[in-house]
Amino acid sequence: DADVTQTPRNRITKTGKRIMLECSQTKGHDRMYWYRQDPGLGLRLIYYSFDVKDINKGEISDGYSVSRQAQAKFSLSLESAIPNQTALYFCATSDTRDRQFFGPGTRLTVL
Amino acid sequence: SQQGEEDPQALSIQEGENATMNCSYKTSINNLQWYRQNSGRGLVHLILIRSNEREKHSGRLRVTLDTSKKSSSLLITASRAADTASYFCATDMDSSYKLIFGSGTRLLVRP
Repeated sequence: DADVTQTPRNRITKTGKRIMLECSQTKGHDRMYWYRQDPGLGLRLIYYSFDVKDINKGEISDGYSVSRQAQAKFSLSLESAIPNQTALYFCATSDTRDRQFFGPGTRLTVL
Repeated sequence: SQQGEEDPQALSIQEGENATMNCSYKTSINNLQWYRQNSGRGLVHLILIRSNEREKHSGRLRVTLDTSKKSSSLLITASRAADTASYFCATDMDSSYKLIFGSGTRLLVRP
């Protein structure tokens, strides 16, 4: 969905490096989410935010942090990347009808 | 942990046939949603069914929900090669606006 964009789309980094993944949306939604997807599995929730001042941990928040800079921007950081954080990362927003709208994903490889 | 589990994990059918995927979940829900994911891409919302609904239709899609059995099914009628994708169910357990995703069904529609 072009209304939710993620940068970068692909990233290869080394163990111990700090990485930031960015998400922007033009949908005007208050709720935003970060997920990771491992091969052959469903999505797991890392962090979510219901507005700029509301940040919540999801199922697998250890090793990650987030920043909600504005209603439209929600960034995910890996403070010190490790190989088992290699995954596909998705940002999503949701509307008042509870549907979620996903970005195209960021493929992160940690060597 | 994953709330929803899809069955089968993989399904291969001929174009024109119907495809049925099932989802089981463990705890009571507010709503259940189905999403499609084309290889390596973001998820796309297909349909949402609330806990007080038993059946919904959208185009060639039909979703049923049986809260007594904690299960849902997604039927795609008259399948097309373009329906080839992974399909995920996701549950909102407590109106928390957080979704818990299953591990998905990989559907292959052969031309």
